[in-house]
Parts: sequence; C-alpha cells; structure tokens
Amino acid sequence: EPEVTQTPSHQVTQMGQEVILRCVPISNHLYFYWYRQILGQKVEFLVSFYNNEISEKSEIFDDQFSVERPDGSNFTLKIRSTKLEDSAMYFCASTRAIRNNEQFFGPGTRLTVL
Amino acid sequence: SQELEQSPQSLIVQEGKNLTINCTSSKTLYGLYWYKQKYGEGLIFLMMLQKGGEEKSHEKITAKLDEKKQQSSLHITASQPSHAGIYLCGADYNNNNDMRFGAGTRLTVKP
Repeated sequence: EPEVTQTPSHQVTQMGQEVILRCVPISNHLYFYWYRQILGQKVEFLVSFYNNEISEKSEIFDDQFSVERPDGSNFTLKIRSTKLEDSAMYFCASTRAIRNNEQFFGPGTRLTVL
Repeated sequence: SQELEQSPQSLIVQEGKNLTINCTSSKTLYGLYWYKQKYGEGLIFLMMLQKGGEEKSHEKITAKLDEKKQQSSLHITASQPSHAGIYLCGADYNNNNDMRFGAGTRLTVKP
C-alpha cells in the first residue's frame, strides 16, 4: 500500500541553524501539506502546496519557513534559522484532490532545537 | 477561542464498553475528518463526513455529523485495547482540504 515517507525521523539542531525536512508524498497525489505538533499540543496546519506554489499558509508559516518540490518526488520544508520554539513533530501529508479527500500523513520528523 | 472543541480530553474505559467522543465546531464546516494517532506517531485516517446528517461506520467505529455541520460524534462499540490512542477531529472550513484540528481525545482501554 502506498504511503507518505519522511526523513529524517529525528533531527537535532542548534538554534540558528537551517534545517530541511524531507517528505516523499504518494506518487499520484497532487496536493501537499505540512503540519506541526508541539509536544502535548494539537496538530497545527502550516502550509498547503499545489502546482509548485503555496496555496494557503497559516500565521505560523512566517518568512523563516519555505517549501519546495525540487523534483518529481520530494517535498521539503526548510526552516532558515531555527528557534527553540520550532521544536516539534512535523508531519507531511498528501492528497489526490483538493476537496473531499482524505489526507495521507507521514510518520513525522521530530525536530529538537537546542 | 478554539474553532474545534473536543470532549472529553481523555477517557479511560474498560474493555468491552462503548464510548463516545464529541467534536464541536464554532462555525459551519465543509468536511469533518476523524483521525487516530498513537503517541509519537503519524495520523491514521478513520472517516470523512461531508453532508449534514451523514453517518459512517467502519468495523466497530461509527461517526456522525449533525444537520448543521457543526458537531460530530465518534462512537466505539465494545472497545478493545487496540482502540487506544488519541482521536483527532479535523475540519475543512474553506472547502480546500486545509485542515484545522481539535486538541484530541486520549483514549485508554483497560483489559
């Protein structure tokens, strides 16, 4: 069964460093998402991406964040200069259609900023 | 205030018992999604509800969406330890699949 994969599973970085979180969505999916979950808190929407551009972003997704689909399979989330409060689980998701379709979630990347 | 409120926050039941988890939205939504999350893991899709009054079932789990499309309930019949986890409801408010989640309900099933 096709699934969304994410790498790495755990990333530890120093405050101020750049990190890139990688996702491989399901191959025939067209819409891609990033969510984050700070420990003990709810899952929060960050950004949606379609046709090589951002469709929607939340207030969390500020200038420190960027997304890219560098090739036909990967979808990345970059944090330019990490802060302590960026420590969270980051989930990638993908779906076939824009509406009324389940989003398939990856297993997540746990980001720890020291 | 929260757009999506889930209740209860946590629930402990004896194996074999039925239980209900509620999700209430402060505004009308286009779609309501139920997911299950095991601690520290990704989200597993359970069900999607779109139409007012809709009800769906999968194995021992039934979810309903009220007529006004502002409240949903998830009911588990004859709970088992495998049902344990965090149940999340997610709402599509803009008809574009960008989901907003509730805080989750942590379910523990005691054998």
